[in-house]
Amino acid sequence: NAGVMQNPRHLVRRRGQEARLRCSPMKGHSHVYWYRQLPEEGLKFMVYLQKENIIDESGMPKERFSAEFPKEGPSILRIQQVVRGDSAAYFCASSPGQLFGNTIYFGEGSWLTVV
Amino acid sequence: AQSVTQLGSHVSVSEGALVLLRCNYSSSVPPYLFWYVQYPNQGLQLLLKYTSAATLVKGINGFEAEFKKSETSFHLTKPSAHMSDAAEYFCAVSARDDKIIFGKGTRLHILP
Repeated sequence: NAGVMQNPRHLVRRRGQEARLRCSPMKGHSHVYWYRQLPEEGLKFMVYLQKENIIDESGMPKERFSAEFPKEGPSILRIQQVVRGDSAAYFCASSPGQLFGNTIYFGEGSWLTVV
Repeated sequence: AQSVTQLGSHVSVSEGALVLLRCNYSSSVPPYLFWYVQYPNQGLQLLLKYTSAATLVKGINGFEAEFKKSETSFHLTKPSAHMSDAAEYFCAVSARDDKIIFGKGTRLHILP
């Protein structure tokens, strides 16, 4: 049973470019979460998605950031017009469903560097 | 709203000594609580999870945590530290809306 797969693992973008991070959940999991990790700040919740539906995007910046989880294919976190402050590790996690207390399983992360 | 506070961003213990990483939570409903471990440049792995079945929870790699409702704590312990335990540890609480909120993490250093 493959785990949560994220790609790319490392991504370098120049300021103003777009970054696309992909996440394939564990087999049988229908819920995906995105978190951002900055040094000394822990993991910050960004967005929680179900197939074709955003459940909670309260942690997403209002501009330039978007996420989707289409019926077919991976979940995508998209950052438009990247700035240096977007440099961080972005982690995807998945769970089997919307049950209170569900364990979520993490991918290996995507490290974005904006130069 | 749920929240988690981890006391000490860095903790150092000698190899063979007791490991104690502190976590206090705030929750308006009975919580689910988690400890995750992160090794450098990797994702987070679940160490253990509290689901109200038992207050003392045993996890992987010899770690355990005790849920104390009166103290709103869920501290992580291991009787004898090993060099391979050096990593960052995150306490987390599950909100009723299924969102998991993480603490800022504690980096554990093992001294030879």
